[in-house]
Amino acid sequence: ETGVTQTPRHLVMGMTNKKSLKCEQHLGHNAMYWYKQSAKKPLELMFVYNFKEQTENNSVPSRFSPECPNSSHLFLHLHTLQPEDSALYLCASSQMNGNYEQYFGPGTRLTVT
Amino acid sequence: KNEVEQSPQNLTAQEGEFITINCSYSVGISALHWLQQHPGGGIVSLFMLSSGKKKHGRLIATINIQEKHSSLHITASHPRDSAVYICAVSSNYQLIWGAGTKLIIKP
Repeated sequence: ETGVTQTPRHLVMGMTNKKSLKCEQHLGHNAMYWYKQSAKKPLELMFVYNFKEQTENNSVPSRFSPECPNSSHLFLHLHTLQPEDSALYLCASSQMNGNYEQYFGPGTRLTVT
Repeated sequence: KNEVEQSPQNLTAQEGEFITINCSYSVGISALHWLQQHPGGGIVSLFMLSSGKKKHGRLIATINIQEKHSSLHITASHPRDSAVYICAVSSNYQLIWGAGTKLIIKP
């Protein structure tokens, strides 16, 4: 059991739906991350928040919208997704952004139909 | 060419065998990470190292900074070690990920 939780664990949504992924960390960390993991590909960093401020957006399409209301919570709002967005979405946290060990949540398996 | 390369991509071995997974990188790093991902998705950090060698139970990680190479070894492998092992390097305040090595240990 890690100190990073993600909900839901599985999500199936249509291309016209709007849904949100939630991540919560209980480790007192100040940096949180969203990653996308597609089949047979390395993890792709999507967003980084450091002390609630977004410090990185790796050219992610606007149909993915992150929100970080405080250092413990991170959301990924989804709307008008495409089937190629189907993937495992992983949240992680670390003490701060940079050379610090990251702790991962269990991930949300997203299927877009 | 990826900045972090792992080999092999897939490895199947019998229970009890000594396992070695390799990671080579081409960028300057401040640390190298080995992580484990079980079926179902969750990722667990195994090691974070910047020099030398670390050991935890049956797992050993080594790094050679001059050669830009790291190895993860598993002694007395067990079916529960079956997972994807991922190498990642910290470089310029970001993590650069390898593609992972899928390990299957057969009883």
